[in-house]
Amino acid sequence: DTAVSQTPKYLVTQMGNDKSIKCEQNLGHDTMYWYKQDSKKFLKIMFSYNNKELIINETVPNRFSPKSPDKAHLNLHINSLELGDSAVYFCASSQDRGYGNTIYFGEGSWLTVV
Amino acid sequence: GDSVTQMEGPVTLSEEAFLTINCTYTATGYPSLFWYVQYPGEGLQLLLKATKADDKGSNKGFEATYRKETTSFHLEKGSVQVSDSAVYFCALSYNSGYALNFGKGTSLLVTP
Repeated sequence: DTAVSQTPKYLVTQMGNDKSIKCEQNLGHDTMYWYKQDSKKFLKIMFSYNNKELIINETVPNRFSPKSPDKAHLNLHINSLELGDSAVYFCASSQDRGYGNTIYFGEGSWLTVV
Repeated sequence: GDSVTQMEGPVTLSEEAFLTINCTYTATGYPSLFWYVQYPGEGLQLLLKATKADDKGSNKGFEATYRKETTSFHLEKGSVQVSDSAVYFCALSYNSGYALNFGKGTSLLVTP
């Protein structure tokens, strides 16, 4: 059973398109995250939700919009895709916002914009 | 802001060699510290963590000790294997919402 699952795993799309990446966790966690990993492997937090409430919204273009229909799901929608959006996007979750909680990652979604 | 700095890679070692990957942090207060590992084509997995000063995290032969006096959390393993080849990330908990703030990663290649 995959704890944090995200789809699709690979996505190749043209500039200007709109795409979504879906994420689900079956761990019963309250907090979910989106991270972006660039070509140099650098990982940066984009968003975090706690019980469907947005709690972290880093400096990310407003073409990126997260949506959390319930606390087990956190989807990422990207409008008007640009070449620079090509990256690996990781969904993650933790039990709650508590100090020292382990964050569990999905396997990543490889987005390539051409 | 809170941040971690880890040694640049790639690090190449022979099997059974001793491994150290340095990590230092800058933070207000007392963050939790983590090491994550990413194998090729996969997501990140927690390797070990420590939540207070002098705590030692350990897993799969890897160890790291939370040193407040030197603001460090260096990763060590006494004898590496080829299967340890991966990218290793040091991270600290983030003040707002306790997300993780990652270092830039250190690529490790272990050769037979």
